[in-house]
Amino acid sequence: AQSVTQLDSQVPVFEEAPVELRCNYSSSVSVYLFWYVQYPNQGLQLLLKYLSGSTLVKGINGFEAEFNKSQTSFHLRKPSVHISDTAEYFCAVSEDTGGFKTIFGAGTRLFVKA
Amino acid sequence: NAGVTQTPKFRILKIGQSMTLQCTQDMNHNYMYWYRQDPGMGLKLIYYSVGAGITDKGEVPNGYNVSRSTTEDFPLRLELAAPSQTSVYFCASTSGTDAFHEQFFGPGTRLTVL
Repeated sequence: AQSVTQLDSQVPVFEEAPVELRCNYSSSVSVYLFWYVQYPNQGLQLLLKYLSGSTLVKGINGFEAEFNKSQTSFHLRKPSVHISDTAEYFCAVSEDTGGFKTIFGAGTRLFVKA
Repeated sequence: NAGVTQTPKFRILKIGQSMTLQCTQDMNHNYMYWYRQDPGMGLKLIYYSVGAGITDKGEVPNGYNVSRSTTEDFPLRLELAAPSQTSVYFCASTSGTDAFHEQFFGPGTRLTVL
């Protein structure tokens, strides 16, 4: 069965500093990987996704993530964060088995300080 | 397109009361989902539907019921509300015509059971 582990529940960081939010997954089959962002009092929206091909995926708002199959990781990075990046970030995985269920991690709360 | 809409935004219930959370999508998506989000727990799948007339249980279905009479609507019914059902509920949908599994979320319903 697939599972997702987000290694940090909270990440405080100063504005303009780089940030990495870590995500590991487990699955016995090929997977699709996603990062979603949830701003306060809103639903989740897609930040980026890995389907196949290049392991470095670029998303909206300057975020990128790297798929590492050997380490079963999909860490999210941004070289310089803004106050407006304060939000909760969810890593998610779907198996490429024809089903349409997605498993979400517990979330990482990114708090950007001035 | 409005995307995925949910009503109500907020609701307070007394123990033992019942209510229906409404969810509508205008993207002609086949697949629809109900999640609950509890602090530090990520999203847990309650029920999902792969098309009109077809529903199935997710991870945490107890205390809930769903129906899917049309492609657009996927209401979630709470019978005999309990404090353990205090949560934020999200409805989501995906097209199901490809394996990319990106989900589109509604803004959520914040439910408190007292």
